Amino acid sequence: ETGVTQSPTHLIKTRGQQVTLRCSSQSGHNTVSWYQQALGQGPQFIFQYYREEENGRGNFPPRFSGLQFPNYSSELNVNALELDDSALYLCASSLVGFNEQFFGPGTRLTVL
Amino acid sequence: DAKTTQPNSMESNEEEPVHLPCNHSTISGTDYIHWYRQLPSQGPEYVIHGLTSNVNNRMASLAIAEDRKSSTLILHRATLRDAAVYYCILSTGNQFYFGTGTSLTVIP
Repeated sequence: ETGVTQSPTHLIKTRGQQVTLRCSSQSGHNTVSWYQQALGQGPQFIFQYYREEENGRGNFPPRFSGLQFPNYSSELNVNALELDDSALYLCASSLVGFNEQFFGPGTRLTVL
Repeated sequence: DAKTTQPNSMESNEEEPVHLPCNHSTISGTDYIHWYRQLPSQGPEYVIHGLTSNVNNRMASLAIAEDRKSSTLILHRATLRDAAVYYCILSTGNQFYFGTGTSLTVIP
């Protein structure tokens, strides 16, 4: 059974650029959620995808968008990067909603 | 808009039980209570979750107050590997709210 994987592990961008982060969910999981974790803080829910449809969204602006593919892998896209977007971005997959989510190791994004 | 309140830090001696408290006074009837823990440089790890009744699994127990406005995560015998930040979380509809977490130190 393959766990949740994320790529890349680290990324450096400049303000105003766009970034795409990728996540492969655990085998059999059809739900993927994305979180932003700033240094020293708890994760903040960005959005959740279930069977390729957005199924819930946290308090993040529209420049944060996502996709889920037929194989349930997912992408997080962030446009017009700001310095405050620097954070660890976590992806989690589950069988049902938010129950028993399995988290990936995260992608560390630095915006200069 | 924090949904849960936890102590910033707690200490426990190795091999002793640990009770990690969480207040969630604004919980509504359909909100689930979840606990995750996070070790340094790792993603969070699922510990346990429940709705109304107390729950037990191989990792921990979850005790939920009768009015559901608070809960307690119980680690029955703390080990050094249990040192982590423990998050108490409410899921409400299609939202998932992490709190600020409790940093647990286990003393050998």
